[in-house]
Amino acid sequence: NAGVTQTPKFQVLKTGQSMTLQCAQDMNHEYMSWYRQDPGMGLRLIHYSVGAGITDQGEVPNGYNVSRSTTEDFPLRLLSAAPSQTSVYFCASSYTGILHSPLHFGNGTRLTVT
Amino acid sequence: GENVEQHPSTLSVQEGDSAVIKCTYSDSASNYFPWYKQELGKRPQLIIDIRSNVGEKKDQRIAVTLNKTAKHFSLHITETQPEDSAVYFCAATTSGTYKYIFGTGTRLKVLA
Repeated sequence: NAGVTQTPKFQVLKTGQSMTLQCAQDMNHEYMSWYRQDPGMGLRLIHYSVGAGITDQGEVPNGYNVSRSTTEDFPLRLLSAAPSQTSVYFCASSYTGILHSPLHFGNGTRLTVT
Repeated sequence: GENVEQHPSTLSVQEGDSAVIKCTYSDSASNYFPWYKQELGKRPQLIIDIRSNVGEKKDQRIAVTLNKTAKHFSLHITETQPEDSAVYFCAATTSGTYKYIFGTGTRLKVLA
């Protein structure tokens, strides 16, 4: 049971390049989400999904796209990287239902855009 | 929109003393409040959580209290140890939305 797996761990991009951050979970969680973490600003929600084929925007969605074709995978795409997207990105998942279950986080991806 | 305010941003305590971190939420429909601990370079990990039908929950040296009327909840750590040094995040969410809104974090330093 690997939990939530994120790849890559580190990435450096030039302004304007595109890339996909991968996230996979093996816990059969319906809910998956992406956060970015910047100093002094906590964890800000980018996009989230409550099941395959369903996605929605969070607090800071601009510049990012997501899709959810399977329960296990929730990739985050940067279409044209900007220096403001330099951050640490966390993927997190949980069960859905009447009672909340806690978020399980991946180990993060540290992205630098130059 | 929903908002969670967290105070203080930094907190230094002597080993063995208690530490208290407070969060205030804006959405009165919020009903689940987890606390996460993040060590340097690591991922956030759940340490304790509380639901809106409970006023207090304890787990060894850690406790969380919830005041629904005032819309705030607090993390209490007693008998602090150096390994408690980390960044702590509170969060709030509401049934049916699945959007976890996090506070901005508190960096706790336990001085030996």
